[in-house]
Amino acid sequence: QKEVEQDPGPLSVPEGAIVSLNCTYSNSAFQYFMWYRQYSRKGPELLMYTYSSGNKEDGRFTAQVDKSSKYISLFIRDSQPSDSATYLCAMKKTSYDKVIFGPGTSLSVIP
Amino acid sequence: DSGVTQTPKHLITATGQRVTLRCSPRSGDLSVYWYQQSLDQGLQFLIQYYNGEERAKGNILERFSAQQFPDLHSELNLSSLELGDSALYFCASSPSGTAPHEQYFGPGTRLTVT
Repeated sequence: QKEVEQDPGPLSVPEGAIVSLNCTYSNSAFQYFMWYRQYSRKGPELLMYTYSSGNKEDGRFTAQVDKSSKYISLFIRDSQPSDSATYLCAMKKTSYDKVIFGPGTSLSVIP
Repeated sequence: DSGVTQTPKHLITATGQRVTLRCSPRSGDLSVYWYQQSLDQGLQFLIQYYNGEERAKGNILERFSAQQFPDLHSELNLSSLELGDSALYFCASSPSGTAPHEQYFGPGTRLTVT
């Protein structure tokens, strides 16, 4: 079993839809949770960062962490074609630890 | 643009050869990370340097080595290349090397081993 699991998709939604992206993990020691967006042939860029459990909102993006279920989510409201990319969840146990990335979910937002 | 630069963008070489990938971190960033991204393995952490010193090691093969120079740029050396080494190689930098959310990725080097 991989430490971090993510449905690879592809996920295809119409413009304006609410998108839900999810990751599950096996190690309860993870405390730092990130979501990265990666456009084709580009490097990942950080979208959201959350420490421990709870929700965080930034514009159209909301990140949720449920440590009891070892489950994290990223919600995208009013999705746009420019949101079409691969979304990688990532997590870390301590600030000094390495980052573990999920395999990524490919999202297409259709105009 | 993250401010992290990587050269070359593309590299095509033969099995058994050796290549060097170069990374220049963002101005002021002391920490550099190297990652390998392939279709079957996803984004895998290879190694981290902080101010010239190795800080953390991930799934880096013995055929691979890296270093960070006094001017903070870093090089990843890949030797005795195999077909399975074909992948995207990313460099990331951060100011301190510990803030979990502070990793800025470069555009990557696409390595093709034939």
